[in-house]
Amino acid sequence: KNQVEQSPQSLIILEGKNCTLQCNYTVSPFSNLRWYKQDTGRGPVSLTIMTFSENTKSNGRYTATLDADTKQSSLHITASQLSDSASYICVAISGGYNKLIFGAGTRLAVHP
Amino acid sequence: ETGVTQTPRHLVMGMTNKKSLKCEQHLGHNAMYWYKQSAKKPLELMFVYNFKEQTENNSVPSRFSPECPNSSHLFLHLHTLQPEDSALYLCASSQGTGPETQYFGPGTRLLVL
Repeated sequence: KNQVEQSPQSLIILEGKNCTLQCNYTVSPFSNLRWYKQDTGRGPVSLTIMTFSENTKSNGRYTATLDADTKQSSLHITASQLSDSASYICVAISGGYNKLIFGAGTRLAVHP
Repeated sequence: ETGVTQTPRHLVMGMTNKKSLKCEQHLGHNAMYWYKQSAKKPLELMFVYNFKEQTENNSVPSRFSPECPNSSHLFLHLHTLQPEDSALYLCASSQGTGPETQYFGPGTRLLVL
């Protein structure tokens, strides 16, 4: 069964600190993996896109990694800011049918 | 802004009411989607339209009725909903139905009493 699991479910960190969010997926065949950021009251916005052949992708203070062998991805946030408070959703896309398999998200709260 | 707008942003309705959600995209995309997002659960794909034609219906109950008059507009007609239908309904669009990035609207927060 295609599925995406994210951990932790929620996380609280202090402003300026780094954090890493985890994503494990069981999607076959696998095409690419995306991380979305969803602010409260908004729709998800794409942060990074990685194909199976890419190991890392950065977008400002956000760095995503992908290990296609272990089927794991992580999103690292550096020097967190209050505006990073949001839900972060991992999405694995299956090849062929281009099905998007969504994780339940990690809710991050950055406190001053 | 992502170029995808949704109205209304909030909606409260009784189980016997009929209402409609509207989505409009200004990105020139050909594909549009309806998703349901419930608390602490993954997004659930409901419907997919490509070039105005419905290409996917993920076993959605008939009390949800989509309509796509053109590639820029998508509606979700609601009637005789249940309290468990309360959720955030998100519209998205993409250039095609391949692996292209989907752009989401802000969603409609629906409460069914």
